[in-house]
Amino acid sequence: QQQVKQSPQSLIVQKGGISIINCAYENTAFDYFPWYQQFPGKGPALLIAIRPDVSEKKEGRFTISFNKSAKQSSLHIMDSQPGDSATYFCAASRVTGGGNKLTFGTGTQLKVEL
Amino acid sequence: DSGVTQTPKHLITATGQRVTLRCSPRSGDLSVYWYQQSLDQGLQFLIQYYNGEERAKGNILERFSAQQFPDLHSELNLSSLELGDSALYFCASSVGRLSSNSPLHFGNGTRLTVT
Repeated sequence: QQQVKQSPQSLIVQKGGISIINCAYENTAFDYFPWYQQFPGKGPALLIAIRPDVSEKKEGRFTISFNKSAKQSSLHIMDSQPGDSATYFCAASRVTGGGNKLTFGTGTQLKVEL
Repeated sequence: DSGVTQTPKHLITATGQRVTLRCSPRSGDLSVYWYQQSLDQGLQFLIQYYNGEERAKGNILERFSAQQFPDLHSELNLSSLELGDSALYFCASSVGRLSSNSPLHFGNGTRLTVT
């Protein structure tokens, strides 16, 4: 079953606009929620990560919001730039207990147009 | 540069053949993970090793096997290859258990094409 559901599958945003990607987590045991950015021909690179006891984390133009009760998070990219065009993945894992692997969402292809 | 090194970058082989993918983790990282990325399946976890021992297994086919050596590098062996095995194979490493203090870092992958 798909434990990490990501939407939308693709997104086109105008330069300077806000890109929003959503993620829902099926497994209540998840307690580590990173987001990754992947450019063509490269491996995924850690963008930003959040713990479930934090509702929002901001790094530059990138902000993650997290709703623990709804088991959802969102990535907001403010003032989107053409250089942000990439595939974005949300992911989740358990810090404690068994199964310490990252489970990924299906990815969102973002294209920022001039 | 993540510090995770994967070789080769590209591999083209025929059905039925066997290949070996190699990964050197970041300096200081004890845990190595293998992921498969295909267009229709996304990033799928295959297997994890920690300091030479297998720690977790995903949907890894019986035709696939991996190991982590004493110097911490890892190899993923794929045998009896089928067309459907064509994909990007990523190695990733972390210091220990995944957390904010021990994030997962990916290499740039090996693109396998089976013809």
